[in-house]
Amino acid sequence: AQTVTQSQPEMSVQEAETVTLSCTYDTSESNYYLFWYKQPPSRQMILVIRQEAYKQQNATENRFSVNFQKAAKSFSLKISDSQLGDTAMYFCAVGSNYKLTFGKGTLLTVNP
Amino acid sequence: DAGVTQSPTHLIKTRGQQVTLRCSPKSGHDTVSWYQQALGQGPQFIFQYYEEEERQRGNFPDRFSGHQFPNYSSELNVNALLLGDSALYLCASSFLGTGSSYNEQFFGPGTRLTVL
Repeated sequence: AQTVTQSQPEMSVQEAETVTLSCTYDTSESNYYLFWYKQPPSRQMILVIRQEAYKQQNATENRFSVNFQKAAKSFSLKISDSQLGDTAMYFCAVGSNYKLTFGKGTLLTVNP
Repeated sequence: DAGVTQSPTHLIKTRGQQVTLRCSPKSGHDTVSWYQQALGQGPQFIFQYYEEEERQRGNFPDRFSGHQFPNYSSELNVNALLLGDSALYLCASSFLGTGSSYNEQFFGPGTRLTVL
């Protein structure tokens, strides 16, 4: 069984600032992947960044980076230089064998 | 290149009725997964289809069934609708053919189902 916990239902940040979204997970799988998805108000889910659990190096994708702490089962997302277009629901997910288990999400609002 | 498409966009049904939702995967993809997203919640995995067979299933009752066609498109059927089935139903496609351990899932815009 897999579980994902996102403890911050809502967060806000000023444009150009940095924000970190938290996520903890639990899984019995030995091979798994971790993801952050973004769901803007238009609903379509978009992959932001992914991390292979067997890799120690934290993934980075432009302004988005993760802090992956495998022993603590923690997977936080850092957004640098926040932009108005970053306003969305952000979901943390753990995946193995192609099934994704999502957290309840964090609503991020970027204020001008 | 069209992404994942779903139809219809919105649907209103009454309790006890049946509904069929449709999904066309992204070009080149051979696997379709279905998720249910209740209001204010994260998506929950319903099942996955590959090679026209149900490959994995989440914790959903048998009222939820599916099908995958030879062109890789898929349908989600829900029988005996309950008020609690009201949700956004998301379809995601990926490519499993290479047998690699990871293939990104691309999501469609979803179908909003309301059960009255």
